[in-house]
Amino acid sequence: SAVISQKPSRDICQRGTSLTIQCQVDSQVTMMFWYRQQPGQSLTLIATANQGSEATYESGFVIDKFPISRPNLTFSTLTVSNMSPEDSSIYLCSVQWIITSTDTQYFGPGTRLTVL
Amino acid sequence: QKEVEQNSGPLSVPEGAIASLNCTYSDRGSQSFFWYRQYSGKSPELIMSIYSNGDKEDGRFTAQLNKASQYVSLLIRDSQPSDSATYLCAVKKSGGYQKVTFGTGTKLQVIP
Repeated sequence: SAVISQKPSRDICQRGTSLTIQCQVDSQVTMMFWYRQQPGQSLTLIATANQGSEATYESGFVIDKFPISRPNLTFSTLTVSNMSPEDSSIYLCSVQWIITSTDTQYFGPGTRLTVL
Repeated sequence: QKEVEQNSGPLSVPEGAIASLNCTYSDRGSQSFFWYRQYSGKSPELIMSIYSNGDKEDGRFTAQLNKASQYVSLLIRDSQPSDSATYLCAVKKSGGYQKVTFGTGTKLQVIP
């Protein structure tokens, strides 16, 4: 496994503003993902962050609302744009190595976002 | 039908007992199965992965997979209060770039 860090760990933001969350891994990984976990709910995949190309978004999530960057194999950012209270959630970065017979995802510590 | 189904619980077991957590999935093309543990306010932590039918043991944990019945379970022997958490079942199709689908999780409470 790797050491995965996220910044910030938590934030309280005002409606209409944007927040950028960073995910840093201490080794190169093949895949990076962004999830959302709303209170009392399970994990929902927002998008797959692709190195050097546009992210692949899941149904219900759009680039204008959740722009994602992945400039290299160890770093990605997720921006939550034009926030509303409904965006209050935990945002999780996840990484995966594509190795024969092992395809496990590991999670960062998460970013707890509260939108007022 | 949900892709991955789990009983939300809470499942309460006394300390020292065996906790049995169950998960069913709908896609027969699923090939990789995972159990994650999530403490309140923390991120999910991988406990076990299983890929073949049968049992896989790791310490006090045993994962069981039955692809014919589309069923995967996690047994926790000698349950401890520190095992109290939400357990997430996750399922993935074969191929490195298939997304993982998570169940809603089962909350386990181990009573001292």
